[in-house]
Amino acid sequence: ETGVTQTPRHLVMGMTNKKSLKCEQHLGHNAMYWYKQSAKKPLELMFVYSLEERVENNSVPSRFSPECPNSSHLFLHLHTLQPEDSALYLCASSQDRIYNEQFFGPGTRLTVL
Amino acid sequence: AQSVAQPEDQVNVAEGNPLTVKCTYSVSGNPYLFWYVQYPNRGLQFLLKYITGDNLVKGSYGFEAEFNKSQTSFHLKKPSALVSDSALYFCAVRRSSGSARQLTFGSGTQLTVLP
Repeated sequence: ETGVTQTPRHLVMGMTNKKSLKCEQHLGHNAMYWYKQSAKKPLELMFVYSLEERVENNSVPSRFSPECPNSSHLFLHLHTLQPEDSALYLCASSQDRIYNEQFFGPGTRLTVL
Repeated sequence: AQSVAQPEDQVNVAEGNPLTVKCTYSVSGNPYLFWYVQYPNRGLQFLLKYITGDNLVKGSYGFEAEFNKSQTSFHLKKPSALVSDSALYFCAVRRSSGSARQLTFGSGTQLTVLP
């Protein structure tokens, strides 16, 4: 495995629910990322945290709210989502150097009804 | 802006034959280039990267890629394909200068190795 874990692996929620996705990395990295993967589309970078500060936010709707309490944990809080938000949400981590590769978790498959 | 094109959605190859998965990129300045593989119900796994130096980069599982600056390409290759290589492959690019952490991915190529 890659050293990045994500829970839950599958999540079904209604549009009025509130839920959270969790990511944990065991690699000693100082940067963490959230990506959205939809079928037949390139991965979309949502958020980047470096040293627990949000450093990039790629025009993501406010119904997605990230939280990084420490360098090993990353959350994505979800509320009032839309059916088009259904996708695979991937967490990744790396040492914060632009030439370093990212290590990905297995993802959370989210379905919004 | 930076972008990656993977012109083939699907590549089929017979086991034991060489395989190539194509990638071209567009970025201002020098690129950092990456290949990742995704197996069903799994996250992306890093295969190899080009940062600088030798244009031929060797990576995991016998894969290699050749950086061609004039053609802005970074094709993934393997001399002899295995059925277990069947997966979704992603090329990615990042600028080598500046502070942006944006890693831009291609849309992926599904590789199927036929027994």
